[in-house]
Amino acid sequence: GAGVSQSPSNKVTEKGKDVELRCDPISGHTALYWYRQRLGQGLEFLIYFQGNSAPDKSGLPSDRFSAERTGESVSTLTIQRTQQEDSAVYLCASSSPLAGGETQYFGPGTRLLVL
Amino acid sequence: AQSVTQPDIHITVSEGASLELRCNYSYGATPYLFWYVQSPGQGLQLLLKYFSGDTLVQGIKGFEAEFKRSQSSFNLRKPSVHWSDAAEYFCAVGGGSYIPTFGRGTSLIVHP
Repeated sequence: GAGVSQSPSNKVTEKGKDVELRCDPISGHTALYWYRQRLGQGLEFLIYFQGNSAPDKSGLPSDRFSAERTGESVSTLTIQRTQQEDSAVYLCASSSPLAGGETQYFGPGTRLLVL
Repeated sequence: AQSVTQPDIHITVSEGASLELRCNYSYGATPYLFWYVQSPGQGLQLLLKYFSGDTLVQGIKGFEAEFKRSQSSFNLRKPSVHWSDAAEYFCAVGGGSYIPTFGRGTSLIVHP
């Protein structure tokens, strides 16, 4: 597609349930990032994938959070046993050195509400 | 470690007035610097970026930013603000780590 897409756009879940968020990066982009944005806050880095290298998971806030990426395509962010503090917008971005260095292209985000 | 400070949480301007949003960074070498805009309910869109060369950078939508190494700043400016510029603005710094650090954002409110 022309841009980064994310699904679902909105997700409401009950505390304790697992959720899976999906990101489709721009075709050919080797790098993929996940961020969390709490209401009125900046972007909090979660995880970074670059090609076939081991991902940088240094931003994951707890072991309830995990992410996978198949090759240079789709990525899924999974949150297990969701808590109310997980409520936020989860943003995905992709980039490629061929597209201008570290310029990131962002998806519209998934708005997660944990009741 | 790299960091970004956006000292203004909210900025209010009248339509047609000039705008300057402040950004200060900390980085050990020559930084990559970015300004992004986030409209309500949307993802982030790149306004402009600085990698090297001319320290005055032109971006989309009439925005510009100036890199001042001596002040560790990368302030965003626009000579005449439009109501459609109301949004959240994020400054970011990057470099060799490939993981940019974002500021907490400045919310721009435009009065008619």
